[in-house]
Amino acid sequence: QVQLMESGGGLVEPGGSLRLSCAASGFTFSDYYMSWIRQAPGKGLEWISYISGSGSRIYYADSVRGRFTVSRDNAQNSLYLQMNSLRAEDTAVYYCARDLSYFDYWGQGTLVTVSS
Amino acid sequence: QSALTQPASVSGSPGQSITISCTGTSSDVGGYNFVSWYQQHPDKAPKLMIYEVTNRPSGVSNRFSGSKSGNTASLTISGLQAEDEADYYCSSYRTSSTRVFGGGTKLTVL
Repeated sequence: QVQLMESGGGLVEPGGSLRLSCAASGFTFSDYYMSWIRQAPGKGLEWISYISGSGSRIYYADSVRGRFTVSRDNAQNSLYLQMNSLRAEDTAVYYCARDLSYFDYWGQGTLVTVSS
Repeated sequence: QSALTQPASVSGSPGQSITISCTGTSSDVGGYNFVSWYQQHPDKAPKLMIYEVTNRPSGVSNRFSGSKSGNTASLTISGLQAEDEADYYCSSYRTSSTRVFGGGTKLTVL
């Protein structure tokens, strides 16, 4: 069965960096677009980035463009999100999801807290 | 990148039907048949309930249905049950290949 598991969240100071990972299993990872979606505490969902199966197509939301970088390693069935210049407003649960222009499978999420 | 517009809350009694609206523009909801709906219970990951406007994934109750007219999509839940109480989010493909969510609707089963 399809499984997605995020890791790498934690507490980081403003201006700091963090790298999230998403381990995928149960499907041919390289065949699928993948997205990162976040949810600030008590707030709604916000799509922030996607990457195509080959990694050749990448898009970002305006809120993270220039600070976050998405990548993938198809040999390791893994998706990554490098987050730099973190701000308090980046505090959220970060989900990875399989992207078919809709999100059919989601991970359980990893919490990122940006605070001094 | 503004979000799609959903009502903040809706409510209904067990057995009743409710509809949640999701309003966008011709650049997203109105321009593509890639509207989807998600159910989220507290402290849980979202779950896909409807995709491509009207389609239900395997395992989702047929009490859930989706539709679209112009720039507004709708999720209807019939025969409301206590376990339907949750937050619901719409999402759409948007011109420039991005994706966008609605602000979310809290459904209360009275």
